[in-house]
Amino acid sequence: AQTVTQSQPEMSVQEAETVTLSCTYDTSESDYYLFWYKQPPSRQMILVIRQEAYKQQNATENRFSVNFQKAAKSFSLKISDSQLGDAAMYFCAYRSAMDSSYKLIFGSGTRLLVRP
Amino acid sequence: KAGVTQTPRYLIKTRGQQVTLSCSPISGHRSVSWYQQTPGQGLQFLFEYFSETQRNKGNFPGRFSGRQFSNSRSEMNVSTLELGDSALYLCASRGAGGRDTQYFGPGTRLTVL
Repeated sequence: AQTVTQSQPEMSVQEAETVTLSCTYDTSESDYYLFWYKQPPSRQMILVIRQEAYKQQNATENRFSVNFQKAAKSFSLKISDSQLGDAAMYFCAYRSAMDSSYKLIFGSGTRLLVRP
Repeated sequence: KAGVTQTPRYLIKTRGQQVTLSCSPISGHRSVSWYQQTPGQGLQFLFEYFSETQRNKGNFPGRFSGRQFSNSRSEMNVSTLELGDSALYLCASRGAGGRDTQYFGPGTRLTVL
């Protein structure tokens, strides 16, 4: 069974600085998707960024980028120029590409605090 | 386009009762998934429905059930509520493509007393 591990329960960053959130996963599959979701205090989960395992190029969405290391099974999220609105819980998630259903396996989350 | 909507947003029940939660997906989306979020267990997949058929089910007891209607709206039902069922229940919808992104609703906060 696949597992996703986020080893940092909480991280803190100064506004305008850069922070990296860690995520590792375990799978025997070669084709899968990885995601970072953001859950602000209002509770609505928002997709931040997605990565397809067969793509070697790291995904980037504005200030958000990932460092995808397939061999190491690592998928970290880098937030540049941190803003107060980035404060939230961040969840790393895995989805098998072999499964016709859409089942996300989530990590335990990292709470990001942004200091003004 | 309107997002995923869930009703009710908050619910308080007592042990032994049953509850039904509703989810309306984004227009045109045929897949609806349900997740349970608790402080102890985190986010766990409950089930996914696609075109009124259950595609997958997570590791939850039979007290948790769901269905999907022809308009893609979905309901989940929990019977014989237990204190441990207190959680935020999230619904998510996506389009028919395998690579489509899943969009989440705001959730229903269920409290079991």
